[in-house]
Amino acid sequence: AQSVSQHNHHVILSEAASLELGCNYSYGGTVNLFWYVQYPGQHLQLLLKYFSGDPLVKGIKGFEAEFIKSKFSFNLRKPSVQWSDTAEYFCAVNRALGTGANNLFFGTGTRLTVIP
Amino acid sequence: DTAVSQTPKYLVTQMGNDKSIKCEQNLGHDTMYWYKQDSKKFLKIMFSYNNKELIINETVPNRFSPKSPDKAHLNLHINSLELGDSAVYFCASSPRSTTDTQYFGPGTRLTVL
Repeated sequence: AQSVSQHNHHVILSEAASLELGCNYSYGGTVNLFWYVQYPGQHLQLLLKYFSGDPLVKGIKGFEAEFIKSKFSFNLRKPSVQWSDTAEYFCAVNRALGTGANNLFFGTGTRLTVIP
Repeated sequence: DTAVSQTPKYLVTQMGNDKSIKCEQNLGHDTMYWYKQDSKKFLKIMFSYNNKELIINETVPNRFSPKSPDKAHLNLHINSLELGDSAVYFCASSPRSTTDTQYFGPGTRLTVL
């Protein structure tokens, strides 16, 4: 079974600081990778996703993530965070093929607090 | 226009009761899901339902049963509620492909007393 690890539980940054949130997954087959964000009191929204091609993917609101297959990683980055980026960030994985492949497996989430 | 909606938003009930949470999507998607988010914010897949095919996460107790009257609806029925069922339950939907984005509903916060 696949699993997803997010090692940073709570990250606190000042505005304009750079952000990198770690995500590692364990699964030997082909996977699709996602980052979702949950702003306070809101539902989950997709930030970006990777399924093939250029391993550096760009998402909404200036976020990007890099898929490094050899490291089973899909870290999320943003060069300069804003107060409005305060939220919970979830990395997720699904299998590319097979029964139930659509099911997303989430990491435990990283809470980002941006101080004005 | 709400893409994925859930009712109710909050549900407070006593142990042992039976309750249902409704989910509707107006996106024309083929697949719908239920996720459980615990108090530590950990999200876990419970069910996915694709064109009458139900995929059940084996860790879900059989007190939980999804019911899909049609492609746009996937309701969650819970029998004999327990304290440990307290959580936020999210419904989601997506087109058929595994690379497609899942669209989440606003969540239903269930509190079992």
